[in-house]
Amino acid sequence: GAVVSQHPSRVICKSGTSVKIECRSLDFQATTMFWYRQFPKKSLMLMATSNEGSKATYEQGVEKDKFLINHASLTLSTLTVTSAHPEDSSFYICSALGPGGNEQFFGPGTRLTVL
Amino acid sequence: LAKTTQPISMDSYEGQEVNITCSHNNIATNDYITWYQQFPSQGPRFIIQGYKTKVTNEVASLFIPADRKSSTLSLPRVSLSDTAVYYCLVGDVGNAGNMLTFGGGTRLMVKP
Repeated sequence: GAVVSQHPSRVICKSGTSVKIECRSLDFQATTMFWYRQFPKKSLMLMATSNEGSKATYEQGVEKDKFLINHASLTLSTLTVTSAHPEDSSFYICSALGPGGNEQFFGPGTRLTVL
Repeated sequence: LAKTTQPISMDSYEGQEVNITCSHNNIATNDYITWYQQFPSQGPRFIIQGYKTKVTNEVASLFIPADRKSSTLSLPRVSLSDTAVYYCLVGDVGNAGNMLTFGGGTRLMVKP
C-alpha cells in the first residue's frame, strides 16, 4: 500500500532555531501533500497544501514566512519551522494525496518540542 | 465544505460491535465519506471510504443512507487495541482541499 514517512520523528530544539521536517511518499508519486499540526487531545488542523513545483497554499492564520514549505519533487515535501518558539511545540503530520486522487495517506508525525 | 458532527466519546467492551455515527447534513453531490483511526502520537490511518449504500472491508463496514446526510462506521467485535480516536471526513474527490477539515473525532475506549 501507499506509505508516507516523516523525518525526524521527534525533535527538540532551542528557541530561535529553525527546524526542518521531511515528508516522503515511499512507493508512489504525490503531486499534492498536506501539512497539519495537532495539539494534545485536539483534532488535526490543516496548515497548508503543498504542490510539487509551485508555491504552497496556506490556510488562514498560518504564517507562510514562519512555516516554509518546499515541494521540490514528486516524493518529497519539507516543512521548515523558522525561528521556533515554545508555542510552536506541537505534533506535525503530513499526508499525501494518493494515486487515485481521492485518498490521503498520512505520515507517522513529528513531535516538535521547543525549549 | 461539509461540516461533520460526531459523538465526543464512546465506551465499549471487548467483543462487542461498535457503531459510530457521523452527521454531515450539507454533504455535496461529489463528496465522499472517509473514516480514519488515530492512536496517540501517530498519524491517522485510513479505515474505509464510501459514497453511498454500504461498503465493507476486512476491518470495518460503512453504512450510508440514501440521503447521505449521515454515515455509520461499524467495527465488529472490537478489541482493546481498537481504543483510539476515529474521524470522519467528508469531501470532494475532485477537489482535495475539501477533504481536509477534520472534525473533533470520537474517542473510543474499549474495556476488558
